[in-house]
Amino acid sequence: TQLLEQSPQFLSIQEGENLTVYCNSSSVFSSLQWYRQEPGEGPVLLVTVVTGGEVKKLKRLTFQFGDARKDSSLHITAAQPGDTGLYLCSAGRRALTFGSGTRLQVQP
Amino acid sequence: GAGVSQSPSNKVTEKGKDVELRCDPISGHTALYWYRQRLGQGLEFLIYFQGNSAPDKSGLPSDRFSAERTGESVSTLTIQRTQQEDSAVYLCASSLEQGHEQFFGPGTRLTVL
Repeated sequence: TQLLEQSPQFLSIQEGENLTVYCNSSSVFSSLQWYRQEPGEGPVLLVTVVTGGEVKKLKRLTFQFGDARKDSSLHITAAQPGDTGLYLCSAGRRALTFGSGTRLQVQP
Repeated sequence: GAGVSQSPSNKVTEKGKDVELRCDPISGHTALYWYRQRLGQGLEFLIYFQGNSAPDKSGLPSDRFSAERTGESVSTLTIQRTQQEDSAVYLCASSLEQGHEQFFGPGTRLTVL
């Protein structure tokens, strides 16, 4: 079983601050996904990273896949209240394995 | 277009009762998945259907859990003799084919008293 560890578990910041959340494993992945989940809803895919060292940007969100394809990070610049949610990383092609998530709260 | 829908949105039941949860995938999606999300946790894979192939049941936690899918449409997840530890949000997802992006429904929140 591939285990994904996410840190921090909780993060409460003020609007405008920057933050980074991490997803780590001892396993090598062919690809890794990041999702955001809001209360009462299912997760929504943000990005898939597939190449070691890859960096993808989605507006104020920057995703990086580690060179060894064992870890990934998500950096948010100038966080806004709309970024509030549970951020989950996952791996797999069929039966996805998920980390336990980072719960982010951005205070206005 | 319509996304993945699930019903009911909330279900409260007594310990020992059976429950059925329903998932309507996106039309045309051949793959369908069930996951469980306990409070404050990530998602745990339960079962996967792909077309007419035998389902992958490797994630089902016990023989009290079963699921069916009719062709490439509706799926039902059945939990027999519910226990308090079954309390969780049950999420369904569908994808065009295996390995493609999974689109999730809003989930069914199950509470076993």
